[in-house]
Amino acid sequence: RKEVEQDPGPFNVPEGATVAFNCTYSNSASQSFFWYRQDCRKEPKLLMSVYSSGNEDGRFTAQLNRASQYISLLIRDSKLSDSATYLCVVNSGGNKLTFGTGTQLKVEL
Amino acid sequence: SAVISQKPSRDICQRGTSLTIQCQVDSQVTMMFWYRQQPGQSLTLIATANQGSEATYESGFVIDKFPISRPNLTFSTLTVSNMSPEDSSIYLCSVEDLMGLAGGTQYFGPGTRLLVL
Repeated sequence: RKEVEQDPGPFNVPEGATVAFNCTYSNSASQSFFWYRQDCRKEPKLLMSVYSSGNEDGRFTAQLNRASQYISLLIRDSKLSDSATYLCVVNSGGNKLTFGTGTQLKVEL
Repeated sequence: SAVISQKPSRDICQRGTSLTIQCQVDSQVTMMFWYRQQPGQSLTLIATANQGSEATYESGFVIDKFPISRPNLTFSTLTVSNMSPEDSSIYLCSVEDLMGLAGGTQYFGPGTRLLVL
């Protein structure tokens, strides 16, 4: 079983749609969680951290369920510029980040 | 966040040769990290580079193949030695969040695209 699993997609959605990505992780001792965004031929960039209480940043909402070892990212009112690959990332202790393979999002007119 | 640059941005190399990738940060950082992202794959940590000590390698990566230098707190190099086509990948360096927030998030350089023929 992979340490961090994501549905690779692609998710093709129209502009304005709401889309949700899910991620599961295998290490119950994992301490912190993030969503990164990676545009084609670019480096990953931090989108947001994920907290147990859930957190929101504009159109983006992240949720963490420790009991189910499950992380989600919700994007509301999708924009063309949201098209990218979204990486679920888990810090399992120390300085080591483990990356999921990413979920590809394509927002279309 | 820190500003990170890498050189070269891309290269095409012949098998059997070696390439050294440089990573420069605009501020002093304790830990720097080297990752590989193979085509269509996610990022895999190669090693952690600390200033003043030997790098710590992840399972499947060895110093002879990927020697790392960390001469000061703003600079590191990764060498890909005796390259084969399987080494074709994007190599990225990263640094920890300087503010120490959110349990160890990292910021990435722009990457080095390597193609081995």
